[in-house]
Amino acid sequence: DIQMTQSPSSLSASVGDRVTITCRASQGIKSFLNWYQQKPGKAPRLLIYAASSLQTGVSSRFSGSGSGTDFTLTISSLQPEDFATYYCQHSYSIFPITFGQGTRLDIK
Amino acid sequence: QVQLVQSGAEVKEPGSSVKVFCRASGGAFNSFSITWVRQAPGQGFEWMGGVIPMFGTTKYAQKFQGRITITADESTSTAYMELSSLKSEDTATYYCASDGAGLDPWGQGTLVTVSS
Repeated sequence: DIQMTQSPSSLSASVGDRVTITCRASQGIKSFLNWYQQKPGKAPRLLIYAASSLQTGVSSRFSGSGSGTDFTLTISSLQPEDFATYYCQHSYSIFPITFGQGTRLDIK
Repeated sequence: QVQLVQSGAEVKEPGSSVKVFCRASGGAFNSFSITWVRQAPGQGFEWMGGVIPMFGTTKYAQKFQGRITITADESTSTAYMELSSLKSEDTATYYCASDGAGLDPWGQGTLVTVSS
């Protein structure tokens, strides 16, 4: 199975900061990479699909890039509502799928 | 717009089974696949398996082979995930999600607690 490795595992930042989270796949997955945001007690929310496509209704301060094995999620200017945990997930195969271990973003 | 609604929280004894449903509304159920993942308290996501209702195709994670069954009933736009031989380590929130361009939407989650 394809393994997904996120870094960092946790991050402290301030409102207004630019933040980047990275995700590496254990083998090439072209652009089959998605990003999610999860807040405590809630289901995840899809932010970015196909590595760089912004899901409808998601703020344009979120952006994604990369292909092959290395991907990034960037938040251009952190807002209070952005403090959450972020996960990457590959969709190179319909089944199985795997997620990164998550990046917890806290307020500094 | 498709919405997924899951069944409510369950408390189960070790060795028993649990069956969680995931009902779709607002869209064609057989036009997408349904994936089941779980999240243990404070942990990340673990893929369990999925079903493509249109074809009746299912696939399960190796870890759960033999004790998981995922089905779909197109007539009621409902998918089911049944997990048997429950252990305390199965305590988690179980989610269904529609798998199109990314997992979206998600059900609200079903907390399953395994305790004697």
